[in-house]
Amino acid sequence: AQKVTQAQTEISVVEKEDVTLDCVYETRDTTYYLFWYKQPPSGELVFLIRRNSFDEQNEISGRYSWNFQKSTSSFNFTITASQVVDSAVYFCALNSNYQLIWGAGTKLIIKP
Amino acid sequence: GAVVSQHPSRVICKSGTSVKIECRSLDFQATTMFWYRQFPKQSLMLMATSNEGSKATYEQGVEKDKFLINHASLTLSTLTVTSAHPEDSSFYICSAKVRGRSSYNEQFFGPGTRLTVL
Repeated sequence: AQKVTQAQTEISVVEKEDVTLDCVYETRDTTYYLFWYKQPPSGELVFLIRRNSFDEQNEISGRYSWNFQKSTSSFNFTITASQVVDSAVYFCALNSNYQLIWGAGTKLIIKP
Repeated sequence: GAVVSQHPSRVICKSGTSVKIECRSLDFQATTMFWYRQFPKQSLMLMATSNEGSKATYEQGVEKDKFLINHASLTLSTLTVTSAHPEDSSFYICSAKVRGRSSYNEQFFGPGTRLTVL
């Protein structure tokens, strides 16, 4: 079965703190893709990253970084020095053949 | 590139009326478009997959007679909510798959349509 689990329903931190959003996935496919999306209050999904199953290199983009570990089927997302503008719901998703499997989302609240 | 638009962005209608939502790929051809529904504080739920020129494939539990999908061209898909009721109030998001890109299911998302049925 294909499944994405985001166990953290809501996280609240004070601005400038680092925060990690967890994502654990299940799939039997050997080739797959993992995604992170940001959904601000406006509702429009913002694409953050795509990672294929053959590339386990961690990635850093500014304050954002991602840790992909196939051994634990995890694809965690870390925001360093968080800012109020980072407040949003973040979704992790798994590409399986013809459709995306979505996690439940983690609501991130950054307090000033 | 790869921009998807939705119209309208927000609609309020009376119970019993029908509402049409348009999804357009502005700068690419989309062989496949997807329609999602998102209730407050929940994740996206795939409603249906539509391919240009053929009937849409609906997910289990989605009433095809209530949610009419027409994918008339490679750049336009429409979702019509027929005889809308308050429980149909939701955020509807479409996405489009770029024609010719088959290496993985890359989808580009529209900005969403917020439907409120009174």
